Amino acid sequence: DAEITQSPRHKITETGRQVTLACHQTWNHNNMFWYRQDLGHGLRLIHYSYGVQDTNKGEVSDGYSVSRSNTEDLPLTLESAASSQTSVYFCASSESMGIGGDTQYFGPGTRLTVL
Amino acid sequence: AQSVTQLDSQVPVFEEAPVELRCNYSSSVSVYLFWYVQYPNQGLQLLLKYLSGSTLVKGINGFEAEFNKSQTSFHLRKPSVHISDTAEYFCAVRYSSASKIIFGSGTRLSIRP
Repeated sequence: DAEITQSPRHKITETGRQVTLACHQTWNHNNMFWYRQDLGHGLRLIHYSYGVQDTNKGEVSDGYSVSRSNTEDLPLTLESAASSQTSVYFCASSESMGIGGDTQYFGPGTRLTVL
Repeated sequence: AQSVTQLDSQVPVFEEAPVELRCNYSSSVSVYLFWYVQYPNQGLQLLLKYLSGSTLVKGINGFEAEFNKSQTSFHLRKPSVHISDTAEYFCAVRYSSASKIIFGSGTRLSIRP
């Protein structure tokens, strides 16, 4: 069965360190997204990609970067981790920008703690 | 500004009672609407969606939602809830003029036996 996985599931790091969260999907979807989930804010979009070599900033992109070198993976990098980036991070994918492709499939999440 | 509002952050309800979770979006000519559910320690999964056609949409696990254009609402309902429905529910909207989906802040549904 197709799926979307994230690793690690839990990560504790220190302020100032670079951290990379992995996201891998086997749906063969063109679109991939990174969200962070914080209490009272729901899900906020960090970065997204509509295909290989395409990346775009979301509403809370400062301090984060992504790269898309293949269809399956969209790693999220925190350049210099800050305590404000302590959160649960979700990766998602969808098939296309058309009407039928609007359903997003989510990974299980990565809980990141920055000390 | 394009937005979606879930007025209730928490909704407690007794088992087998009906429930309604409210969702409103800012006015637009054309929207696509979604409800996602997040069970504890899991990612989100699609419950139902409205793209066009009938305004009453049926989803998984006995949930349904009604698109009301005049009230810009898309409330989620279930006639009889079970303990297993305990989860957080997110309303989401994609405006036809935009490419991204906007999520609401979520409603935590807690079921009392």
